[in-house]
Amino acid sequence: DAGITQSPRHKVTETGTPVTLRCHQTENHRYMYWYRQDPGHGLRLIHYSYGVKDTDKGEVSDGYSVSRSKTEDFLLTLESATSSQTSVYFCAISEGRGDLTDTQYFGPGTRLTVL
Amino acid sequence: KQEVTQIPAALSVPEGENLVLNCSFTDSAIYNLQWFRQDPGKGLTSLLLIQSSQREQTSGRLNASLDKSSGRSTLYIAASQPGDSATYLCAVRGATNKLIFGTGTLLAVQP
Repeated sequence: DAGITQSPRHKVTETGTPVTLRCHQTENHRYMYWYRQDPGHGLRLIHYSYGVKDTDKGEVSDGYSVSRSKTEDFLLTLESATSSQTSVYFCAISEGRGDLTDTQYFGPGTRLTVL
Repeated sequence: KQEVTQIPAALSVPEGENLVLNCSFTDSAIYNLQWFRQDPGKGLTSLLLIQSSQREQTSGRLNASLDKSSGRSTLYIAASQPGDSATYLCAVRGATNKLIFGTGTLLAVQP
């Protein structure tokens, strides 16, 4: 298994509070991604990073920000959590070789509940 | 905008049966298509990746096919086992490293 950990694994918070989720990798992969998974929607990309300090928006980026100050860590921040952000959040990594066989490896997920 | 659909949403089969899961996509300009497996409460595990120039890929009891022109892929599982019970997701990659996922098929293999 690819060396990806996510913390925390479970979190319950209240509306309006800030929340930060952490993804840590030991594979030295260039690309890192944050997805959310909701019933009926599958996985949707929130933000991704293609290098230290290089990030870009995904499909559902509103209300989220990210930072990547080191190759191994990618942080997802909800500045002011809302109930619509209750979801399971997955981090993924890929080598970013640029070829067509580049696959993504997923972390175990973080279940976030916003009350 | 690329959309990925998986039918059926859920499937229950007896052990030993061969089965096919379906994935369709609206934009045929893809670079590759991947099939993933997700166990309850877990992350995704990549099963097979088919490049846009390929027609199929095989791994053990799994065979994935791709018909890019018609926007379809199938995942064939031979001689199903209870351990195959999971959600199966397909995802397509366009010109960037971004993957667009379907909503998955929940498979239950009954002993």
